[in-house]
Amino acid sequence: QVQLLESGPGLVKPSQTLSLTCTVSGGSLNTGPYYWSWTRQPAGKGLEWIGRIYPSGSTNYNPSLKSRVTISIDTSRKHFSLNLSSVTAADTAVYYCARVDRRLPGMDVWGQGTTVTVSS
Amino acid sequence: QSVLTQPPSASGTPGQRVTISCSGSSSNIGSNPVAWYQHLPGAAPKLLIYNHNQRPSGVPDRFSGSTSGTSASLAISGLQSEDETDYSCAAWDDSLNGYVFGSGTKVTVL
Repeated sequence: QVQLLESGPGLVKPSQTLSLTCTVSGGSLNTGPYYWSWTRQPAGKGLEWIGRIYPSGSTNYNPSLKSRVTISIDTSRKHFSLNLSSVTAADTAVYYCARVDRRLPGMDVWGQGTTVTVSS
Repeated sequence: QSVLTQPPSASGTPGQRVTISCSGSSSNIGSNPVAWYQHLPGAAPKLLIYNHNQRPSGVPDRFSGSTSGTSASLAISGLQSEDETDYSCAAWDDSLNGYVFGSGTKVTVL
């Protein structure tokens, strides 16, 4: 049973870079018909897709965040990461990592989510 | 502002059928598979429907999805108290080259 777990600072100062890691257990990042994604949800708002990464390292990002987002993957260490630069209070949200099964397609396995607050 | 539009709320009594709409465009719902996610408070979202109308194993057949043109809908029949939560539609958008979610609908069981 594949499980995902997000980790990283819960508090980030404005203008700094938000860095989160998603660790995969019970499976591998580079086998099967899967790719990996980040999504967030600000309090009281809907889900917002941040971006995705394939095992090859190829990425796609939300156009509204593209200039500030970098997603990377380390298949040997079984984790993928999110970096979001120049954060503001608007980036305060619960951040989720998820596995996407290309055959469906859909995000079929999610991490529990981690709350990140941007505040000085 | 979400690319996919959903009503903010929907409600029904136990046993009733509730339908949630999701309106998009030719670049998303009109040309790509639609998924629905159920989001319980304090928990991770759960894939409820994929490829317009397919249910992952373990999802009750009370939940059904359909798509017509640039609109999709999720129906919950035999509404139960544990169905009271948020639901979001989603699809890939070819114009944005990104995945888009609906604004979310909160279902209340009266």
